[in-house]
Amino acid sequence: EVQLVESGGGLVQPGRSLKLSCAASGFTYSNYVMAWVRQAPTKGLEWVASISTGGGNTYYRDSVKGRFTISRDNAKNTLYLQIDSLRSEDTATYYCAKVSRDGRWFDYWGQGVMVTVSS
Amino acid sequence: DIQMTQSPPSLSASLGDKVTITCQASQNINKYIAWYQQKPGKAPRLLIRYTSTLESGTPSRFSGSGSGRDYSFSISNVESEDIASYYCLQYDNLPPWTFGGGTKLELK
Repeated sequence: EVQLVESGGGLVQPGRSLKLSCAASGFTYSNYVMAWVRQAPTKGLEWVASISTGGGNTYYRDSVKGRFTISRDNAKNTLYLQIDSLRSEDTATYYCAKVSRDGRWFDYWGQGVMVTVSS
Repeated sequence: DIQMTQSPPSLSASLGDKVTITCQASQNINKYIAWYQQKPGKAPRLLIRYTSTLESGTPSRFSGSGSGRDYSFSISNVESEDIASYYCLQYDNLPPWTFGGGTKLELK
């Protein structure tokens, strides 16, 4: 059974940093593209970043480029999202998502972790 | 970037009704669209991919169709467990992945 378990969220002041983690199990983690998707309170879903199987290629939505860093540790079956210079508009639930074998759609999601940016 | 315009934003239905949600892409997405269900406080769940292919475990009352820029998602015989929000996702021209704005299905 595929399981994705996020951690690392919380209440953070604007301008500070935070690192989210996603522990994966139930599949061969190193063979799959992974992604982060977020959802602001009462809003829709928004793709944030994705990373290739080996970690050598990363992609970001324009609004987070330069502040967010996605990475992975295939030995630990773990995905990360480093968020720097946090802004109020980053307040959201962040979901870790597994991408399908052909690298196209999101087929499994974690339960999500809440990040609240407020002074 | 491809934009996805989803409508309606909200929908009220009675048990047993058929409901339809549409997504229009800003350009041809070659049937590369998926549909997700999200219940309050829960993660999204994949229901349909490649326009009309039902994922394992998706009830047959769910269906999808479309081509080019225009796609639809339907639930026939709405059940109480179907009360949720629904999102389309285009995955033709990546990155970025882009979602529709969502549709909240409520009971009348």
